[in-house]
Amino acid sequence: GNSVTQMEGPVTLSEEAFLTINCTYTATGYPSLFWYVQYPGEGLQLLLKATKADDKGSNKGFEATYRKETTSFHLEKGSVQVSDSAVYFCALPAYSGAGSYQLTFGKGTKLSVIP
Amino acid sequence: EADIYQTPRYLVIGTGKKITLECSQTMGHDKMYWYQQDPGMELHLIHYSYGVNSTEKGDLSSESTVSRIRTEHFPLTLESARPSHTSQYLCASGQTGEREQYFGPGTRLTVT
Repeated sequence: GNSVTQMEGPVTLSEEAFLTINCTYTATGYPSLFWYVQYPGEGLQLLLKATKADDKGSNKGFEATYRKETTSFHLEKGSVQVSDSAVYFCALPAYSGAGSYQLTFGKGTKLSVIP
Repeated sequence: EADIYQTPRYLVIGTGKKITLECSQTMGHDKMYWYQQDPGMELHLIHYSYGVNSTEKGDLSSESTVSRIRTEHFPLTLESARPSHTSQYLCASGQTGEREQYFGPGTRLTVT
């Protein structure tokens, strides 16, 4: 079955530091890949996505490149801000019938950015 | 504005009480989902629905039940709350054929 392995946190960085959160996956074929973000006290929001190999998803200064050779989708940001403090989830959708997709999530990585 | 809503946002209740967590979406999505999020942040799918009158159990066994009488509404019910039900519950929806899911703000349930 599908699985997502995400680097464990928590991760604490100073403002303007470089961020990498590793994500690798196991799946049949070449699925789409997502990064979701959960700010404190809120639900999950889709941060970025990639639908095929070598695609780069980007949003709010975050980027992730779909690497089929290494089955990875690492999240990066060049200069983090305090407002980026949140929990980040890597996710992989799989078809489950009737036009529906179920998401397999990584365990989440908590990021804290200090001024 | 199209959105997904959950009420209440926070609930503290005593053991043995019956509770219903509400979830509504105005996005016209067919698919809806309930997740339980443990204190370690991990997400577990507990229920989902393909559409009206469809309900399915997810990967994590749950004592809760769900119903889907209207497209926009997917409530979750616990007949007799217990401390082990203390958790964050997240509702999500998605469009047929699309891979993304859209999440509500969550209900944080505490059973004392």
